[in-house]
Amino acid sequence: DAGVIQSPRHEVTEMGQEVTLRCKPISGHDYLFWYRQTMMRGLELLIYFNNNVPIDDSGMPEDRFSAKMPNASFSTLKIQPSEPRDSAVYFCASSLSGQRTYNEQFFGPGTRLTVL
Amino acid sequence: RKEVEQDPGPFNVPEGATVAFNCTYSNSASQSFFWYRQDCRKEPKLLMSVYSSGNEDGRFTAQLNRASQYISLLIRDSKLSDSATYLCVVSSYNQGGKLIFGQGTELSVKP
Repeated sequence: DAGVIQSPRHEVTEMGQEVTLRCKPISGHDYLFWYRQTMMRGLELLIYFNNNVPIDDSGMPEDRFSAKMPNASFSTLKIQPSEPRDSAVYFCASSLSGQRTYNEQFFGPGTRLTVL
Repeated sequence: RKEVEQDPGPFNVPEGATVAFNCTYSNSASQSFFWYRQDCRKEPKLLMSVYSSGNEDGRFTAQLNRASQYISLLIRDSKLSDSATYLCVVSSYNQGGKLIFGQGTELSVKP
């Protein structure tokens, strides 16, 4: 069974360019989460969706960041324009709600973003 | 104050040692607790959930003290393959159930 799929795995871009990160959650999962991880700040939740609807975007750092989930099998995180301080590993995770609402989250391999 | 605090380590221990990690959380409404493991340059993966009565999974034992808002993870007979960063994670329904991650504790097991 395929896990969470993210693309690209690595992205190097120049300051000011638009960056789009992609995520395919595990089939059947109804929650999708976007995280950012840096040495300084650790793992931070940026935004999460339930049934394709954004529930909490309070972690999105600025208006330069936007996320969409047009259907149950695809989500994007866009940074426009990108800045060097956006350099980080971006993880996508998905989970399936159940009796206990927030069950195990399964993470994708991450996208390592470097903004020069 | 961070919502979830951990000793960052690193903990350097010899094979076979017993090592314990501690974690404190600030939100008294937290209801779900986990330990995740993250290998270098990899994604976090669930190691184990933490239940009120404490629970064990092989060489790993997790404890929860709600009164003190404290979680622990004990690793017995540590193996080289246990070298990783261990993330303490809490979740509460008054925050929409999102997971709050600690900064992680780095463990290095040496031969």
